[in-house]
Amino acid sequence: QVQLQESGPGLVKPSETLSLTCTVSGGSISGYNWSWIRQPPGKGLEWIGYMYSSGSTNSNPSLKSRVTISRDMLKNQFSLKLTSMTAADTAVYYCARGTLLGWAGGWFDPWGQGTLVTVSS
Amino acid sequence: DIQMTQSPSSLSASVGDRVTITCRASQSISNSLAWYQQKPQKAPKLLMYKASNLESGVPSRFSGSGSGTEFTLTINSLQPDDFATYYCQQYKSYPTFGQGTKVEIK
Repeated sequence: QVQLQESGPGLVKPSETLSLTCTVSGGSISGYNWSWIRQPPGKGLEWIGYMYSSGSTNSNPSLKSRVTISRDMLKNQFSLKLTSMTAADTAVYYCARGTLLGWAGGWFDPWGQGTLVTVSS
Repeated sequence: DIQMTQSPSSLSASVGDRVTITCRASQSISNSLAWYQQKPQKAPKLLMYKASNLESGVPSRFSGSGSGTEFTLTINSLQPDDFATYYCQQYKSYPTFGQGTKVEIK
């Protein structure tokens, strides 16, 4: 079955850019929508953005100016860049597959295990 | 954006109890709603989609209902493995989640 694995630094300094990669195994990223979701410690879930099967992207309006999502079809990966990091961006970052091909993307399944990113100097 | 409000934020229940969690949307989302279960230090696990469709492998004691703006997740005969936090998510518009309901042992 399809499995997702996030990778990237666990610690980022304030004002720097976070770069995370999600590697998909057991299936191709082609033909699906792929998403990033985050969860601050002890808090709820926040959708960050989508890489659509078409190659276009969309992101949460609250983060839009800071988010870039891209993909590498050859490596079967998609990536997140989040600029101007602050302590408020400290969270577990998950990658997940969207289940519908519309722009709202559907429900998420499966999910990666998540990676904790701490913003601190 | 469409805001999702869950109630209660937490509840205490005993093994064997019937538990109901409510999720309300700030505008109609038809049946574009999913439910997840999350245990500590784990990724959310899909339980239900399209408001009332049980994900494969999820026990039948879980059920979902509702449409429009009001939805419920019911757990019949709560089991020890069910103590967790539950989230609803709408996908009528760009995705948004409820704030979560923590189900604790009484």
